[in-house]
Amino acid sequence: AQRVTQPEKLLSVFKGAPVELKCNYSYSGSPELFWYVQYSRQRLQLLLRHISRESIKGFTADLNKGETSFHLKKPFAQEEDSAMYYCALSYNNNDMRFGAGTRLTVKP
Amino acid sequence: DGGITQSPKYLFRKEGQNVTLSCEQNLNHDAMYWYRQDPGQGLRLIYYSQIVNDFQKGDIAEGYSVSREKKESFPLTVTSAQKNPTAFYLCASSGQGHTGELFFGEGSRLTVL
Repeated sequence: AQRVTQPEKLLSVFKGAPVELKCNYSYSGSPELFWYVQYSRQRLQLLLRHISRESIKGFTADLNKGETSFHLKKPFAQEEDSAMYYCALSYNNNDMRFGAGTRLTVKP
Repeated sequence: DGGITQSPKYLFRKEGQNVTLSCEQNLNHDAMYWYRQDPGQGLRLIYYSQIVNDFQKGDIAEGYSVSREKKESFPLTVTSAQKNPTAFYLCASSGQGHTGELFFGEGSRLTVL
């Protein structure tokens, strides 16, 4: 069963424009949600986690339990943000499931 | 250099052959994972292990097998029963104190000829 949904496979914005990468999840318990990023020729790495309520590289994500969403946002996209982004859900102690990913392209 | 090491990076196999992908970590992490990455499908969990000598099936375990005899090693065998084995395979680990943070290897690309 698909637990994490990223509806956009591709997303393209211009430099300086706001960007939002969507993520919805299905889980009846208390979810732990994350965003992972994979830059070109680099390993997949953690970008941010909802529990930390942090902003990393200008990105933020708010957990909305009512809408079961965890969208990733940045007010002004930069070219170096171009990458593959994965939303991930952790439940049942160390069981981590990923969405299909969204490829973000930031055009100059 | 600490981290996760996967080998080989590229592997070719004939149909009907089993092949084993290696994953080693020196991060002293308890949990290790194997994912399969296909275009448009993201990462799908094959197997994961929370502790030595224990592992659980993920969403697509059929045709795969694993072992966890040592904390630092979690090899994945792609058996001949796996109907569509050509893919990119990623290994990851996580430890206590890194809640939810998975550390990934560089991946292994398996091609079945």
